[in-house]
Amino acid sequence: QKEVEQNSGPLSVPEGAIASLNCTYSDRVSQSFFWYRQYSGKSPELIMSIYSNGDKEDGRFTAQLNKASQYVSLLIRDSQPSDSATYLCAVDLSGGSNYKLTFGKGTLLTVNP
Amino acid sequence: AAGVIQSPRHLIKEKRETATLKCYPIPRHDTVYWYQQGPGQDPQFLISFYEKMQSDKGSIPDRFSAQQFSDYHSELNMSSLELGDSALYFCASSSPRGTQYFGPGTRLTVT
Repeated sequence: QKEVEQNSGPLSVPEGAIASLNCTYSDRVSQSFFWYRQYSGKSPELIMSIYSNGDKEDGRFTAQLNKASQYVSLLIRDSQPSDSATYLCAVDLSGGSNYKLTFGKGTLLTVNP
Repeated sequence: AAGVIQSPRHLIKEKRETATLKCYPIPRHDTVYWYQQGPGQDPQFLISFYEKMQSDKGSIPDRFSAQQFSDYHSELNMSSLELGDSALYFCASSSPRGTQYFGPGTRLTVT
């Protein structure tokens, strides 16, 4: 079983809708969680980081973390066609000592105009 | 804002040849990470350096080696290249235990 699991999708939503992306991880000592967006052939671009239980909002993006359930999610409100990309969940499974990131396989999001 | 710089952006090599990839971190970042991303795959951690010392090692083949220099730039040396080494190679940089920011990547094709 992979240490960081994501629904591979594809996830398709209409423009203006809320897109919900989910991620689970295997190690309870994990302290740092990240969402990256990756367009095809391009490098991962940081969207959000979250370290504490609860919600963290930045513009149209909200990250949610539940360490007891080992679950982190990303909500994208008012989805735009330009949000169409692969979203990678990344977790520091070392417990914060060295920030070696382990990635999930990514969820491909398509926002339809 | 300055970003991570990687060179070359594209590289074509033949089997059994050697390749060197370079990474220049964001100014004042002293930690560098290397990742390999095969087609349709997620990025796989290879190796990282903090203050010119190796800080962690992942699934890096013995044919690969890397180092970080006094100006904090890093080089990934790949020898005896195989077809399976064809991938995108990303470098990321951070401040100590900080958020990682990725460079544009080097696309390596081995023929």
